[in-house]
Amino acid sequence: SQQGEEDPQALSIQEGENATMNCSYKTSINNLQWYRQNSGRGLVHLILIRSNEREKHSGRLRVTLDTSKKSSSLLITASRAADTASYFCATDFNFGNEKLTFGTGTRLTIIP
Amino acid sequence: EAGVAQSPRYKIIEKRQSVAFWCNPISGHATLYWYQQILGQGPKLLIQFQNNGVVDDSQLPKDRFSAERLKGVDSTLKIQPAKLEDSAVYLCASSETGETQYFGPGTRLLVL
Repeated sequence: SQQGEEDPQALSIQEGENATMNCSYKTSINNLQWYRQNSGRGLVHLILIRSNEREKHSGRLRVTLDTSKKSSSLLITASRAADTASYFCATDFNFGNEKLTFGTGTRLTIIP
Repeated sequence: EAGVAQSPRYKIIEKRQSVAFWCNPISGHATLYWYQQILGQGPKLLIQFQNNGVVDDSQLPKDRFSAERLKGVDSTLKIQPAKLEDSAVYLCASSETGETQYFGPGTRLLVL
């Protein structure tokens, strides 16, 4: 079964608005990562947050991690049409095996 | 730096036929992964190699799927015989550190 569950499954916003998507997981993790997948393409790594970190920034991306609630959120600020894609959270919970378990994804559509 | 290469990009076969996918990871990346991504779902790990040894193949349907990584570089994934439910995108990824994974464009398989 898949470890992470993203919420919402689909999200449509106007260009320039902020987009927030959430990920919940079931077991303790070593780190949590977010990946983006454009239509018909492979996945691209966006950001990694470790279990002892609470917040991380990269450009227009902000990721938070709450290990007590076993949840993470990804915020994309000032969205652009090029941000249209599916976003997946992936958890590394094997502590040494570096095996990622992907969630079900959030389909983000930016309306120009 | 060249990315992860995969071929073919698309493949259509009849059920019970065999098919093989090829992956060339980023130079120097010791860890190689094969994922299966069914439409509308997140990628599911099939097998993980560290150099030419198998680290995890717990989710590989070994009665029909096989994979090898000769000389710790290129890898092939084979399905024999294929079933309708094998229709999916097969993604190859590689990693240097064991954390961030770099994905190829994938092979889209349709089994008729």
